[in-house]
Amino acid sequence: DTGVSQDPRHKITKRGQNVTFRCDPISEHNRLYWYRQTLGQGPEFLTYFQNEAQLEKSRLLSDRFSAERPKGSFSTLEIQRTEQGDSAMYLCASSLASGQGFSYGYTFGSGTRLTVV
Amino acid sequence: KNEVEQSPQNLTAQEGEFITINCSYSVGISALHWLQQHPGGGIVSLFMLSSGKKKHGRLIATINIQEKHSSLHITASHPRDSAVYICAVPPQGGSEKLVFGKGTKLTVNP
Repeated sequence: DTGVSQDPRHKITKRGQNVTFRCDPISEHNRLYWYRQTLGQGPEFLTYFQNEAQLEKSRLLSDRFSAERPKGSFSTLEIQRTEQGDSAMYLCASSLASGQGFSYGYTFGSGTRLTVV
Repeated sequence: KNEVEQSPQNLTAQEGEFITINCSYSVGISALHWLQQHPGGGIVSLFMLSSGKKKHGRLIATINIQEKHSSLHITASHPRDSAVYICAVPPQGGSEKLVFGKGTKLTVNP
């Protein structure tokens, strides 16, 4: 296993266009997280999945954002009608949740840097 | 909600110096993460610790659960250690999503 993979690494798009990012987690991990990081700030939580169920969404995730994890493996994050304020690094992470709910092996991907022009 | 404070915000050192980065949080937790982020964005997990001390090469992380404080030390610092170091904790003691500090930007000069 090569860790958490994100694609693409960089994306430049025009305002108003839709973009979709993909995250492939570590194969045995059942939890997958999306975070967003703007310049000079620490990452902020967007949403997370346990298997295919989306268990929590942040207020940051406006109705232009949608995330899916259809088969409990890879996940996609789509942003519709992009705005300049969406420019950020989008980070994916995965972990293995124990029966008690604790997460092990928290691993981050390299991120997708989105620039909206 | 857990509040995470890191200090210092920026740190410049000469090669070979001993480095300490501090992290304080407000709500008791099950585990704390130290992460490294190089220019270009990718985040690497350095440590996850819930008590005591962990060591990996020249990196040492300690945590004091009672005082809600953790430190990351780098011995014999090297220019390749230059990066942003981020502390992250679960928001309210659970361990799903993480709350991140703003990071400490470390620059090690040769």
